[in-house]
Amino acid sequence: DAGVTQSPTHLIKTRGQHVTLRCSPISGHKSVSWYQQVLGQGPQFIFQYYEKEERGRGNFPDRFSARQFPNYSSELNVNALLLGDSALYLCASSWGLFSSYNEQFFGPGTRLTVL
Amino acid sequence: RKEVEQDPGPFNVPEGATVAFNCTYSNSASQSFFWYRQDCRKEPKLLMSVYSSGNEDGRFTAQLNRASQYISLLIRDSKLSDSATYLCVVNSLPQGGSEKLVFGKGTKLTVNP
Repeated sequence: DAGVTQSPTHLIKTRGQHVTLRCSPISGHKSVSWYQQVLGQGPQFIFQYYEKEERGRGNFPDRFSARQFPNYSSELNVNALLLGDSALYLCASSWGLFSSYNEQFFGPGTRLTVL
Repeated sequence: RKEVEQDPGPFNVPEGATVAFNCTYSNSASQSFFWYRQDCRKEPKLLMSVYSSGNEDGRFTAQLNRASQYISLLIRDSKLSDSATYLCVVNSLPQGGSEKLVFGKGTKLTVNP
């Protein structure tokens, strides 16, 4: 079975641009969550979507937005890119919500570089 | 105070050693607890869920102390393949806020031959 897939794998943008990152969950998983990981730090939670509704949001500015589609795939959008947005963006899928001891299965990530 | 704090590391140990990682969390309403492992330039993968009764999986033992808001991971008989960064992960239910998953900074382990 296919795992979580993310596209693109690498991306280079300039300050002020917009970026869209995509994630396809494991078949049957209804929850998708997004994380930002900078070098030397643990992943930082951005959003969780479950059954196409936003169920959680981390401490990120409104420049970050996301959505989940009827097929449970998801997009993360970042507007007005800043140098500090350079990071590895991870997507994870699971059967359900965080509080139910649901294992998060991570994709390989998209490495975003903002110049 | 950070929501999830781990031993800063790094840990360098010889093969066969026993190593312990510690983690504290600040939100007493947290309901689920995990240890994830992340190899260099790879995505995190679940190592163990941590339950109130404690749990063991081969050479790995995890414990949870809700009163002290403390989680631990013990690795016995370390192997070279255990070299990785270990992430303490806690779900958080901030008052009036939405559920989120909080990762510690990670503790890097290197097992030497």
